Amino acid sequence: GESVGLHLPTLSVQEGDNSIINCAYSNSASDYFIWYKQESGKGPQFIIDIRSNMDKRQGQRVTVLLNKTVKHLSLQIAATQPGDSAVYFCAKREQSGGGADGLTFGKGTHLIIQP
Amino acid sequence: DAGVIQSPRHEVTEMGQEVTLRCKPISGHNSLFWYRQTMMRGLELLIYFNNNVPIDDSGMPEDRFSAKMPNASFSTLKIQPSEPRDSAVYFCASSWDSRYEQYFGPGTRLTVT
Repeated sequence: GESVGLHLPTLSVQEGDNSIINCAYSNSASDYFIWYKQESGKGPQFIIDIRSNMDKRQGQRVTVLLNKTVKHLSLQIAATQPGDSAVYFCAKREQSGGGADGLTFGKGTHLIIQP
Repeated sequence: DAGVIQSPRHEVTEMGQEVTLRCKPISGHNSLFWYRQTMMRGLELLIYFNNNVPIDDSGMPEDRFSAKMPNASFSTLKIQPSEPRDSAVYFCASSWDSRYEQYFGPGTRLTVT
């Protein structure tokens, strides 16, 4: 079946450094990708999204890169802060003729910020 | 904006009992999603509604699970009878259009003993 997979379950970075979280997907029909952040005891929180007609999108301290050729998605967080410690999920939605579609989530990467 | 509201936040019940989880989506959103999260399987979509109509329930694990959305501001996920393997965190999410991101509630942590 279709899946969204993450390369590393845990990523540890020094406070102030940049971090990159990677994600691979298997279905080229996916038209929409999202990154979520989940802190302990809370629901996933939307960070940034990107559509398949784009290669890059930037937000505040975050950048998402989409490489459709190799079916790879990445989230870059600049100047990481202690509050960035969380589990990060990539998610994708399949292209459909209309209506809302549920998301398929990766397993998650635990980002740990070292002081 | 109050965000997506879920109740209860925690539920502990005995095997065989009926469990009902509740969700109030963000006002104005026309799509509602139920997800389940476990350590083993991660986040899984169970069912979603568009304009109160169930669109895809292929993720519902068994007939013991059922979901309803009687109006635009309320949805329930019911498990009857519950089993220990149903223990998980259940999230409700809503979005106002299929082209936009989904907003998640705080989740209901269900423990079936």
